[in-house]
Amino acid sequence: GAGVSQSPSNKVTEKGKDVELRCDPISGHTALYWYRQSLGQGLEFLIYFQGNSAPDKSGLPSDRFSAERTGGSVSTLTIQRTQQEDSAVYLCASSLVVRGGGNTQYFGPGTRLTVL
Amino acid sequence: GENVEQHPSTLSVQEGDSAVIKCTYSDSASNYFPWYKQELGKGPQLIIDIRSNVGEKKDQRIAVTLNKTAKHFSLHITETQPEDSAVYFCAAPRPQGAQKLVFGQGTRLTINP
Repeated sequence: GAGVSQSPSNKVTEKGKDVELRCDPISGHTALYWYRQSLGQGLEFLIYFQGNSAPDKSGLPSDRFSAERTGGSVSTLTIQRTQQEDSAVYLCASSLVVRGGGNTQYFGPGTRLTVL
Repeated sequence: GENVEQHPSTLSVQEGDSAVIKCTYSDSASNYFPWYKQELGKGPQLIIDIRSNVGEKKDQRIAVTLNKTAKHFSLHITETQPEDSAVYFCAAPRPQGAQKLVFGQGTRLTINP
């Protein structure tokens, strides 16, 4: 079946511009996550959506970052007034929700963002 | 919050030899420990996971062991092959939200032919 898809795969933008990154989760997965991965680094949690609950935004690095999830499916991560330090790979993952935790997260291929 | 430490950051082994990657965690209530493999230009993919009610789990050449007392878990790859070359990440649940994971910093594994 189809996995998590992300678009675009690569995005080059100029400093100060806004960008939108899209994530299509696996059908039926109620949980959706965004992570940021800087070159050669681990995964930095950004935001988590679960069903109709308010999203957990505790990982967003600044108010320039925001995300939406429409209709419990597709999600968009928006970065306003991009800075060079925003350059990274942005990964999306989705999962079912397992009672008590321990859900397997399935990752998309990521969007490589380069801010010039 | 949960803190996950992963070692080593890089590992180079001869093809056919074994590779071991270790992770420690801080929250004794953590109950789920996945390992992900990330190949160049791709997203991480789950390769094996273990829950806190077992001490070891195997899947062909891959195994994970868990020591709850010492709060560490390890990935073991036997009979390594060139296609095992990748970056490996361990993870553990965040205590405030078991659905979220904290990831280790990753281990770059290189298999030398």
